[in-house]
Amino acid sequence: SAVISQKPSRDICQRGTSLTIQCQVDSQVTMMFWYRQQPGQSLTLIATANQGSEATYESGFVIDKFPISRPNLTFSTLTVSNMSPEDSSIYLCSVSRDSGNTIYFGEGSWLTVV
Amino acid sequence: AQSVTQPDIHITVSEGASLELRCNYSYGATPYLFWYVQSPGQGLQLLLKYFSGDTLVQGIKGFEAEFKRSQSSFNLRKPSVHWSDAAEYFCAVRVNSGNTPLVFGKGTRLSVIA
Repeated sequence: SAVISQKPSRDICQRGTSLTIQCQVDSQVTMMFWYRQQPGQSLTLIATANQGSEATYESGFVIDKFPISRPNLTFSTLTVSNMSPEDSSIYLCSVSRDSGNTIYFGEGSWLTVV
Repeated sequence: AQSVTQPDIHITVSEGASLELRCNYSYGATPYLFWYVQSPGQGLQLLLKYFSGDTLVQGIKGFEAEFKRSQSSFNLRKPSVHWSDAAEYFCAVRVNSGNTPLVFGKGTRLSVIA
């Protein structure tokens, strides 16, 4: 099974600041997915990150607010920029393997913006 | 685009009673189907998944789900609920080809009473 390590696991951030979340996978994967889970809500896809190309963002999410890097096949970062209390959420990294038959999630990065 | 509907926001059952959580999907073909559980303050845990074959799928913790193509449903069941099953349950789908992300339903919160 794939092991996904996310950092930080939790953080309390000041409004107006930016925070970068790291996602490290123990093996090479083509696609990495970033999700947001706001308090009491379901998971919403932010973007899909393919190594070597720009991330593809879902409706309602923009690169200026959530820049993503994907420098290699095992690593990605998501930055939450100019944070406001509305950005308080769990941010999860996800990957698929075995031709998409198996999907793995990181433990999530729990952000609180004050 | 595919979508997932979980019509029940909150369900309360007595310990030892049976449970059925509903999930309907909208997609032109049969997608890959998943059920996840999230306990308070915890990450996502995969309960079971359906790709093809036998329409009754067994999962962990005594859960099962039945895929019904005619109803576009993938309902989760458990014959006897334990207090530790109290959690948020998410149904998710993905297209059955390539590296595509999961689309989640809004979730059903399960409460278990003595």
